Amino acid sequence: TQLLEQSPQFLSIQEGENLTVYCNSSSVFSSLQWYRQEPGEGPVLLVTVVTGGEVKKLKRLTFQFGDARKDSSLHITAAQTGDTGLYLCAGARTTDSWGKLQFGAGTQVVVTP
Amino acid sequence: GAGVSQSPRYKVTKRGQDVALRCDPISGHVSLYWYRQALGQGPEFLTYFNYEAQQDKSGLPNDRFSAERPEGSISTLTIQRTEQRDSAMYRCASRQVLSTDTQYFGPGTRLTVL
Repeated sequence: TQLLEQSPQFLSIQEGENLTVYCNSSSVFSSLQWYRQEPGEGPVLLVTVVTGGEVKKLKRLTFQFGDARKDSSLHITAAQTGDTGLYLCAGARTTDSWGKLQFGAGTQVVVTP
Repeated sequence: GAGVSQSPRYKVTKRGQDVALRCDPISGHVSLYWYRQALGQGPEFLTYFNYEAQQDKSGLPNDRFSAERPEGSISTLTIQRTEQRDSAMYRCASRQVLSTDTQYFGPGTRLTVL
């Protein structure tokens, strides 16, 4: 059983469309991170959210942390082919040792021209 | 160094053999993490170090797996008596200081156990 459930598992959209990826858990997290991973590479950090209800915007990407700090979402506006990749959420659970991250299984996003 | 490096990049071994995977973190980074990642899945936590101290090894699957970081820099993940189910991508990540969240991942070692 995955501690962090990501949905959908796979998403294929055309350039210019919007998409939202979800990350849900029954556990509370002190912080939650989003990564993007491209084939053959390691994950690269996009953002960290730490406050319940927090919203962060990075250009066309909007990240939200749930009020109860159990869930998060990533919204991409006007997707581009360069947004293609595996999107991973990762959380630092309040009950785990400080510094330990739990990853979700990821959402594979494919943006076609 | 410029980034996290891992060696070897590919390792093929026979069942029952021991393997040692090396991680060289970014110079000066305090924390070092080991993960195992299946294709198309998220990394699975194995263990991590702050300096030379192993902080959490709860993710190591069994006692055939061990890790060390004796001088607080390079780390080695050792798998004894390898089994086919150990085949995976093993990734290392490092973090600069204890107060920051950013982990920098290495390219990984692809382990195949025949």
